[in-house]
Amino acid sequence: GAGVSQSPSNKVTEKGKDVELRCDPISGHTALYWYRQSLGQGLEFLIYFQGNSAPDKSGLPSDRFSAERTGGSVSTLTIQRTQQEDSAVYLCASSQDRRANEKLFFGSGTQLSVL
Amino acid sequence: AQTVTQSQPEMSVQEAETVTLSCTYDTSESNYYLFWYKQPPSRQMILVIRQEAYKQQNATENRFSVNFQKAAKSFSLKISDSQLGDTAMYFCAFKGYTGNQFYFGTGTSLTVIP
Repeated sequence: GAGVSQSPSNKVTEKGKDVELRCDPISGHTALYWYRQSLGQGLEFLIYFQGNSAPDKSGLPSDRFSAERTGGSVSTLTIQRTQQEDSAVYLCASSQDRRANEKLFFGSGTQLSVL
Repeated sequence: AQTVTQSQPEMSVQEAETVTLSCTYDTSESNYYLFWYKQPPSRQMILVIRQEAYKQQNATENRFSVNFQKAAKSFSLKISDSQLGDTAMYFCAFKGYTGNQFYFGTGTSLTVIP
């Protein structure tokens, strides 16, 4: 696609429900990142994919969070049993490869609100 | 661990004037990259400028330039001839040669006043 696409743009859910957030990276980009942006905070790293594998999951805050990537393309971030502290903007970014100087292309994020 | 600090939560500048956003970082790595990203109200972050640590020359991109002081671990962004479209949140970021993560600061909200 022309850019990184994330869906839904906004998600309101009730505490305890599961949610799935989707990221469709730029075609051909092998590296994919998920970040969380809370109000007044910087971007918090969640997970990094190279192709379909996730060599770095160190940022996932608890076992309620999981992510997968299929076909070296679309990625899904799943949050189980959502809590109010999970409310944030979830950003996805992709880059052509994992070289350090590679430019990140970001989606517009999913604003998650847990009531 | 790497840390990135932006000590100015909010700044404002008159249209056509110049403004400088500050960023400091801490790392034990000798080879790394530094970035400034802009996040407008649309939330989609875009790269403004990047600097390779081994290059002494400061990067420039049109009205945007950086002042990279490696010994001081400082990486400030200067915006010249500020335009209304520059109003956004600006994030400083670090990426080491090793490791997979980009480390971001907490951001500076810049408002350009007409």
